[in-house]
Amino acid sequence: KNEVEQSPQNLTAQEGEFITINCSYSVGISALHWLQQHPGGGIVSLFMLSSGKKKHGRLIATINIQEKHSSLHITASHPRDSAVYICAAPWGNTGNQFYFGTGTSLTVIP
Amino acid sequence: GAVVSQHPSRVICKSGTSVKIECRSLDFQATTMFWYRQFPKQSLMLMATSNEGSKATYEQGVEKDKFLINHASLTLSTLTVTSAHPEDSSFYICSARGGDDYNEQFFGPGTRLTVL
Repeated sequence: KNEVEQSPQNLTAQEGEFITINCSYSVGISALHWLQQHPGGGIVSLFMLSSGKKKHGRLIATINIQEKHSSLHITASHPRDSAVYICAAPWGNTGNQFYFGTGTSLTVIP
Repeated sequence: GAVVSQHPSRVICKSGTSVKIECRSLDFQATTMFWYRQFPKQSLMLMATSNEGSKATYEQGVEKDKFLINHASLTLSTLTVTSAHPEDSSFYICSARGGDDYNEQFFGPGTRLTVL
């Protein structure tokens, strides 16, 4: 069993739909990262959150530390949101190491 | 947000040659930089952690003589793949920690290495 599980693995949505990607983890952490990797490979750090909710534009991330669960929401999805979304949980004393989720491949169709 | 750049973005080289990849933090001082490797459709694998002015810490199974890491300044770390072989072909990504939120990591855009 992976320490970080994501669902769904693949997601296809129509433009404008509300999208939710889920992440569950089994390790004790103080914060969780959401990353976006575009075709071609570049990675962008979307959020680092340790409690509650964060919002940036059309992206919203929530986390429940007690339930060890986080969600990434995209409102009014757009084809440019098509990417792989990865949740990552830091571990270890220094927090240098990450358990990475397997990623959710999102395709938004015009 | 903070910006991390990598150079080159793509490199093709012949087997047996060495390739240097640079990772720069453009608008903050990166006390720690990380190097990852990613094979197609797989997750990122941490190769090594480097702190400015000290030797890098390599993960188990990563050959330190093959993947030379230098972190000479607070804004620059380099990864040199020595005597590259086709199996070294991969996507190499660096990240840097520092900036306003010490715990946040900022990822570079990655370098696609192809060894012929």
